[in-house]
Formats: sequence, C-alpha cells, structure tokens
Amino acid sequence: KAGVTQTPRYLIKTRGQQVTLSCSPISGHRSVSWYQQTPGQGLQFLFEYFSETQRNKGNFPGRFSGRQFSNSRSEMNVSTLELGDSALYLCASSLKSSPYGFDEQFFGPGTRLTVL
Amino acid sequence: AQKITQTQPGMFVQEKEAVTLDCTYDTSDQSYGLFWYKQPSSGEMIFLIYQGSYDEQNATEGRYSLNFQKARKSANLVISASQLGDSAMYFCAMREGNYKLSFGAGTTVTVRA
Repeated sequence: KAGVTQTPRYLIKTRGQQVTLSCSPISGHRSVSWYQQTPGQGLQFLFEYFSETQRNKGNFPGRFSGRQFSNSRSEMNVSTLELGDSALYLCASSLKSSPYGFDEQFFGPGTRLTVL
Repeated sequence: AQKITQTQPGMFVQEKEAVTLDCTYDTSDQSYGLFWYKQPSSGEMIFLIYQGSYDEQNATEGRYSLNFQKARKSANLVISASQLGDSAMYFCAMREGNYKLSFGAGTTVTVRA
C-alpha cells in the first residue's frame, strides 16, 4: 500500500508569491491534516479535512488556505508569502477521524518551502 | 499555556540501554489521546505508540512503552534496548475533542555505540 505522498518535496519562492502544496493520502483514508514545522515554533496544526469539509483550523492567518477533493487528495495554498513561512509542511492522513481517540495518522515526507 | 511540555531538548544513550523521554500535558478534558512520534533526519513522522485517557493499562509496542500517570498528567516514553537507528527527534502529542494534534517541542535522542 502506497504511503502518503507530498509534492513537491522542495520549493523555493520569493516574498509576495503564492504557493500550492499537494498531498495524496493513503488509499481509502478520508481525513487529511496539515502541519507546519519550524525550528522556532515547532509543529503547529494548520487544518484538517474530512470528506471535503474543513473541520478544524489552527491559528494561522487567512493567507493559509486549503481544500480537499472528492478523491481525498488535498491542497494547501499560501498567498503573499513571507520569510517566516519558510518551513517543513507535513501532511497526514487517517482512515477515519476520531476527535480524541486512537486514530493513527500517517505522515508524508513533507514539503520543504524556502521563501527568499 | 503549553498543552504539551517536553523538558529534555536532547539526550544521549548508550546502545542497548533504556531511555525515558519525559512528557507532561495540560488539558481539562476527560477524553483525550496521547501519542508519541519519531522523526528521523529524513523528516517524516513515524507513529510509535498511543495511550487513551480511559486506558487503564500502559500501552506497549515492541521496544516502546508508555508510562501513563493520569493524576500527574504525565506520559513518558520508554525505549528499551536502544539501537543506533533510534537516533531521532521524538515528539509527544495530544488530541483533545477537536481533531487536531498538539505537539511538544521534541527531544533529540542520540544513541552512542
């Protein structure tokens, strides 16, 4: 069974540009979550989608948005990039989505975004 | 306030020895889940072990065990018989009733031969 894939793996952009990251979950998984990882802030939750609906959103500005398609693939968009958006963006998928119980999330390898 | 606290930024352990990674959490929910993940230098997060707030027994998965002390809000990870491949960053995380995972700052483990 193929794991979670993220494209592209590496990306270099300049300030003010926008970027779209893609995540393909494990086949059959309906939940996709996105996380930002930086040395200063650590791992922070961005948002979670389940069956094309955003169920929760972290404390990020509106420049960060996402969506999920009917095949469960998800995209994350960041508009008007800032230097501080440089980070590893991780996507995770799970079969269902339990609010607090056991729900193993399988992470992708991440997209490393560098903003110059 | 921090929901997950990992007080050990880095630890060294001798190969074949056990190591305990500390994790304390803060929540007012009765129902929650605690997770440990491993992140090697390659970047991807690897699920290790889960403990539910209502689970009475400590979780174990192979060489990993979770020392769950609910009253102290503590969920320490114990790695037994350390191997060189265990060198990585380890994250404690919690999910409350809102779907999202809150992560600690992580602990870097270096296993010495």
